[in-house]
Amino acid sequence: DQQVKQNSPSLSVQEGRISILNCDYTNSMFDYFLWYKKYPAEGPTFLISISSIKDKNEDGRFTVFLNKSAKHLSLHIVPSQPGDSAVYFCAASAADTDKLIFGTGTRLQVFP
Amino acid sequence: DVKVTQSSRYLVKRTGEKVFLECVQDMDHENMFWYRQDPGLGLRLIYFSYDVKMKEKGDIPEGYSVSREKKERFSLILESASTNQTSMYLCASSLISLYSNQPQHFGDGTRLSIL
Repeated sequence: DQQVKQNSPSLSVQEGRISILNCDYTNSMFDYFLWYKKYPAEGPTFLISISSIKDKNEDGRFTVFLNKSAKHLSLHIVPSQPGDSAVYFCAASAADTDKLIFGTGTRLQVFP
Repeated sequence: DVKVTQSSRYLVKRTGEKVFLECVQDMDHENMFWYRQDPGLGLRLIYFSYDVKMKEKGDIPEGYSVSREKKERFSLILESASTNQTSMYLCASSLISLYSNQPQHFGDGTRLSIL
């Protein structure tokens, strides 16, 4: 039972445009959500997070939006750059645990 | 910056061998985690530890054990390696989320091949 779902295995975006990566979850106990970026042959790097008390968090070119009623979060990258090409994982945790549940990842390719 | 170091980047072992994967973190984190990453399956938690000598099973603990004798070191053990344990293994650490949520920080991974 996949509690965190990334339904798009891949996304291709032109440099300078917006990249939108989506993530859905099923567990209403999740209250902390994160996005990680992963390059080949490297470990995932923490990108940005959001607590369930917020609906938006911004850090430079990266913004995460949370829609609790729809159990949906998204990561917006504006403007997209070729160096953003990587696999992006969303993850979630519940209030009573430090464990993270990861989605299956979306491969983003930013082309010139 | 948090540094999580995994002892090997690449490892090749034979079926039936006992395999040790080592992970060390330098930020005095209470929590440490072992994941495996497989194509199309994302990251799946094998075991985690929230304190020295403490361990809890994750989602896929079968065929694995762990050891945490010191706070900074967390070892993953494949008791008798099998070909279906060929994977990328990732170690992570984090502070305990007592008052605020804490992200996990990852090592660069060990790509393990079992022949």
